[in-house]
Amino acid sequence: GAVVSQHPSRVICKSGTSVKIECRSLDFQATTMFWYRQFPKKSLMLMATSNEGSKATYEQGVEKDKFLINHASLTLSTLTVTSAHPEDSSFYICSASRAIKGYEQYFGPGTRLTVT
Amino acid sequence: AQRVTQPEKLLSVFKGAPVELKCNYSYSGSPELFWYVQYSRQRLQLLLRHISRESIKGFTADLNKGETSFHLKKPFAQEEDSAMYYCALGTGNQFYFGTGTSLTVIP
Repeated sequence: GAVVSQHPSRVICKSGTSVKIECRSLDFQATTMFWYRQFPKKSLMLMATSNEGSKATYEQGVEKDKFLINHASLTLSTLTVTSAHPEDSSFYICSASRAIKGYEQYFGPGTRLTVT
Repeated sequence: AQRVTQPEKLLSVFKGAPVELKCNYSYSGSPELFWYVQYSRQRLQLLLRHISRESIKGFTADLNKGETSFHLKKPFAQEEDSAMYYCALGTGNQFYFGTGTSLTVIP
């Protein structure tokens, strides 16, 4: 159990366009979902934490107007990269947790975004 | 402030040798600590959590509150242990990852 999917797995978009990435918990209800960005050969950078039905909490330095997060249901969260630029190219990973406290996260496979 | 510190970015050990991946945390309350592992081309997955006190794939980690550490240990490293390891801290509704340690087990 505790499977998390992400869609799409890869996306290429033109500079200035917006891209939506979906994160779904397939077999459990995710009270909390997290969005990370992983740079090549570097660690995960937490972008934001979202609890179902409330606004996401963004980490310092992450532009909330650029990275829109919606957690409308207990099984779905979306990350929209608005007006994407080449520097937004990265690997975006979501994770989901059953508990409000966010313990034990289950990770999605990630989405490779390339902005040309 | 860095909540979780993994001082080693890269660690290489020979097969059969003991391995220890260091993790120190900064938190004044009661922490929830985890080790996550990411094998090549796979997603991150939970390796172990301090609350369960279990041994997974031969790895153990003991929470030392005095030293604020949660080092990951295995007495005899195997080639399949080569991966990226992340220490993580859960506090309230926040979650912090360390910068990760890339472990390479040399045959």
